[in-house]
Amino acid sequence: EDQVTQSPEALRLQEGESSSLNCSYTVSGLRGLFWYRQDPGKGPEFLFTLYSAGEEKEKERLKATLTKKESFLHITAPKPEDSATYLCAVTSNTGKLIFGQGTTLQVKP
Amino acid sequence: DTAVSQTPKYLVTQMGNDKSIKCEQNLGHDTMYWYKQDSKKFLKIMFSYNNKELIINETVPNRFSPKSPDKAHLNLHINSLELGDSAVYFCASSQEVPGGPYEQYFGPGTRLTVT
Repeated sequence: EDQVTQSPEALRLQEGESSSLNCSYTVSGLRGLFWYRQDPGKGPEFLFTLYSAGEEKEKERLKATLTKKESFLHITAPKPEDSATYLCAVTSNTGKLIFGQGTTLQVKP
Repeated sequence: DTAVSQTPKYLVTQMGNDKSIKCEQNLGHDTMYWYKQDSKKFLKIMFSYNNKELIINETVPNRFSPKSPDKAHLNLHINSLELGDSAVYFCASSQEVPGGPYEQYFGPGTRLTVT
């Protein structure tokens, strides 16, 4: 069964303190791995798609990487506005998007 | 603005009632979805429609019935509401690309509270 596990569940950082969020997955025939950001009371906002091991994508202070078993979302010098829940999801040959439970990030000034 | 929109934003109703949530996308996408997000913020797919045709139907009680009048709209009707139906429901859309995969764009959510 396709499964996605994110860690940690919650992360508190000081502004400027870099860190990484982990997304471990088991899926039969990975077609893509997605990262989303969700702010309280809003829908998930698309950040990145990664297709194959070794691929990396960047956007501002965020960098996503992918291996055959996991993905990392690296946050460099975070700011308070980066506070949100970050969701990882995978899609396989079934076409369904399977989400992890998310990591709630809080960045304190 | 191009977006996925849902109405209503909040829905409070009593057990046993029937209610509908509407979703519209003006992104020109051909596939639409309904997701349920529980109190632990876990998002799970319920249904998927491609060009008005049902393609994914997860293990959802048959009290839930999606309806797609055209490829820009996917509504969710819920009969005989139960306390356990309380959650946030998200609509999403995507454009299928040959070779895929395709990112999904989400609406703002509808918070359903059943009392």
